Amino acid sequence: IAGITQAPTSQILAAGRRMTLRCTQDMRHNAMYWYRQDLGLGLRLIHYSNTAGTTGKGEVPDGYSVSRANTDDFPLTLASAVPSQTSVYFCASSDSGGNSPLHFGNGTRLTVT
Amino acid sequence: GQNIDQPTEMTATEGAIVQINCTYQTSGFNGLFWYQQHAGEAPTFLSYNVLDGLEEKGRFSSFLSRSKGYSYLLLKELQMKDSASYLCAPLDSNYQLIWGAGTKLIIKP
Repeated sequence: IAGITQAPTSQILAAGRRMTLRCTQDMRHNAMYWYRQDLGLGLRLIHYSNTAGTTGKGEVPDGYSVSRANTDDFPLTLASAVPSQTSVYFCASSDSGGNSPLHFGNGTRLTVT
Repeated sequence: GQNIDQPTEMTATEGAIVQINCTYQTSGFNGLFWYQQHAGEAPTFLSYNVLDGLEEKGRFSSFLSRSKGYSYLLLKELQMKDSASYLCAPLDSNYQLIWGAGTKLIIKP
């Protein structure tokens, strides 16, 4: 079934540890995004990539890094996790960015202790 | 600054009609999306409006007034499965989505 796969589904992480959230899509979409969602707040964009080989910073990029080596994969890395990074993380993709609708993965629930 | 305003929570009865309002202020405008998000799940696309007026799609309709910075989502013949959060998200001049916190819709039998 075509779509976006995120892994892991959930994770408890000790503060200071490094963690990579994985995201893979098989729809050949050019644009990919990482969002975090916290209770009472709208989705906040962390990083995005308009096409393979390029990335950009979103609204809340500090403490996170991404890479886009190919069209399908867009991993998000927390170099040294802090408790404020406790959140639900959604990866999304769209056909061409702009006004194309987003397709979301099922999310990763991350708790940093 | 950029701002989205939606009610935090609404309650409606199964079989009824409900209108979820969204007002927005953005730097430029390139259309507005509505997404549905069930608890514990990912958002899913419902509608996109770029021109003024009403777009109907089955039981769901979405309205846009660009001059008023206003949109609404209209849900008819409510079903229990419509219990979810509804996210309003306009596109700014850079084609970045600005997300509201969402409206949690509770459907009662």
